[in-house]
Amino acid sequence: GENVEQHPSTLSVQEGDSAVIKCTYSDSASNYFPWYKQELGKRPQLIIDIRSNVGEKKDQRIAVTLNKTAKHFSLHITETQPEDSAVYFCAASKGNEKLTFGTGTRLTIIP
Amino acid sequence: ETGVTQTPRHLVMGMTNKKSLKCEQHLGHNAMYWYKQSAKKPLELMFVYNFKEQTENNSVPSRFSPECPNSSHLFLHLHTLQPEDSALYLCASSQASTSGEQYFGPGTRLTVT
Repeated sequence: GENVEQHPSTLSVQEGDSAVIKCTYSDSASNYFPWYKQELGKRPQLIIDIRSNVGEKKDQRIAVTLNKTAKHFSLHITETQPEDSAVYFCAASKGNEKLTFGTGTRLTIIP
Repeated sequence: ETGVTQTPRHLVMGMTNKKSLKCEQHLGHNAMYWYKQSAKKPLELMFVYNFKEQTENNSVPSRFSPECPNSSHLFLHLHTLQPEDSALYLCASSQASTSGEQYFGPGTRLTVT
């Protein structure tokens, strides 16, 4: 089955700086890669996703890049703000099969 | 109410109790999931239902028993739990035939004493 690894497990970034979280996956057939954000005491929510037919997707301060050859994808947050502090999870799946989640990254934005 | 709802939001139970968690989705989805989220651990998939049929059971102990009477409702029946079962239990739903994007409920915080 699919195996997703996520790094780092914790990340502290000065407000205004950029944050990068990286994930690798094992199944080359995986074609859907979402990122979820979970604020303290709240449910995980999808913030951005990418499919295997594109290499990069951007939504305001958030971007995701995908390298299919190397089987890794990354979340980039620019101009970080205090409300970006949360746990971020990457995931991978193929078609309509179940998502396999990474172990999560706790991002702390230092004011 | 829209989205995915879960009740109760908090539950404290003894090891000999029997209780049930309820999940309801108002999104017209066909797939529903139960996840366990413990401190400092990834989301652990427990059960998957597609069109009311269980399609996955990730080696979950029999003290957890799921039930899916229709595509909108999902239950998790609990009995003779252990303290290590204390966790946040999250329900999610998705449109089974498409992308796999999942919508999560707010979770039930379970404490086993």
